[in-house]
Amino acid sequence: DIQMTQSPSSLSASVGDRVTISCRASQTIRTFLNWYQQMPGKAPKLLIYTASTLHSGVFSRFNGSGFGTDFTLTISSLQPDDFATYFCQQTYKTPLTFGGGTRIEIK
Amino acid sequence: QVQVVQSGSEVKEPGASVTVSCKTSGYTFTAYGLSWVRQAPGQGLEWMGWIYGYDGSAHYAQNFQGRVTMTRDISTDTAYMELRSLRSDDTAVYYCARQISMIAGYMDVWGKGTTVTVSS
Repeated sequence: DIQMTQSPSSLSASVGDRVTISCRASQTIRTFLNWYQQMPGKAPKLLIYTASTLHSGVFSRFNGSGFGTDFTLTISSLQPDDFATYFCQQTYKTPLTFGGGTRIEIK
Repeated sequence: QVQVVQSGSEVKEPGASVTVSCKTSGYTFTAYGLSWVRQAPGQGLEWMGWIYGYDGSAHYAQNFQGRVTMTRDISTDTAYMELRSLRSDDTAVYYCARQISMIAGYMDVWGKGTTVTVSS
């Protein structure tokens, strides 16, 4: 199975901060990497697919990049609605696997 | 608009089976697949499998092989996930999510989740 490792597992930040989350795959997944946002008690929401494509309706402050094994989700200016948990996911090979999540908390 | 509506919460005893349904609307059911993902309390996301709306073919994660069956009904645009021989560690929120293709796809519309509690 492809292991997905996110870092950090949590971080504290303030509104307006630039935040970067990393996701590393245990083997190459080309660009078959998606990012999801999950609010407490809610279903995940798709943010970015194929590493860098912004899903419809997602704010442009979210940016994804990477190829192969190393990927990054950047939030350019953190907003109040962004305090949530973020998951990466690979769809290169089954079983589809998710990272352990990164929780962004208010500083 | 595209919608995915899941069935309500379930409480089951160990050893029992549960079936969760996922009714879709607002898109061509047979042009997409659906993934099933679960999340144990306070834990991350675990993919269970994917079913293709067009022909009902399903691919299951190895962890669930032999215990899970995914089906669909094209007359009602509804997908079903049955999990058998339930254990306490199957207690989780179960989600279905539209996913156009299993490989290289992404889950763009999610149901709100179905809480399954396994307890004696």
